[in-house]
Amino acid sequence: TQLLEQSPQFLSIQEGENLTVYCNSSSVFSSLQWYRQEPGEGPVLLVTVVTGGEVKKLKRLTFQFGDARKDSSLHITAAQPGDTGLYLCARNNDMRFGAGTRLTVKP
Amino acid sequence: GAVVSQHPSWVICKSGTSVKIECRSLDFQATTMFWYRQFPKQSLMLMATSNEGSKATYEQGVEKDKFLINHASLTLSTLTVTSAHPEDSSFYICSARWDTKDQPQHFGDGTRLSIL
Repeated sequence: TQLLEQSPQFLSIQEGENLTVYCNSSSVFSSLQWYRQEPGEGPVLLVTVVTGGEVKKLKRLTFQFGDARKDSSLHITAAQPGDTGLYLCARNNDMRFGAGTRLTVKP
Repeated sequence: GAVVSQHPSWVICKSGTSVKIECRSLDFQATTMFWYRQFPKQSLMLMATSNEGSKATYEQGVEKDKFLINHASLTLSTLTVTSAHPEDSSFYICSARWDTKDQPQHFGDGTRLSIL
């Protein structure tokens, strides 16, 4: 059973478009990680958010942590085909993952 | 950055065989290691958490006699799938973390297990 809800489950967009994916929980996160996974590989850590209201930027990726620390979002600006992958959020206190958002960016 | 090595990356074997997968932290001491299972087009499902020198904690529904986990040192954990059957075929991924719960996990590249 997934304790973290991620949406959308699938997302297919054209190169250059912007997108946002979400991660929600009914309980408070002590901290949360976002990962990106490509087929046949392990997840790669993108960011860790700890403080409610925190915003972190990683090039074209912007991560927000909700004030109540129950939700987080990942926004990608001007998506590129290289952004294609499975985006996963994970709750650090019990190391469980959301179901993921499978992103496809078409050239 | 932190590096976790997982071996083998791919294994194919006959039904009834036992298979051992190794997970090593190469440049840090992993006080905790995690084992996940991932089916095609799905997310990672936590199987068990292992702390160095103690017994692993298994998630509900995971058979501890089927999936044997050993974490004998701060740099090595092993997962043995005993008497594997086709339904055990999956992508198995380990991760390692050091020190406190505030630290992120670092993942291996996974092991693709195929049981014929």
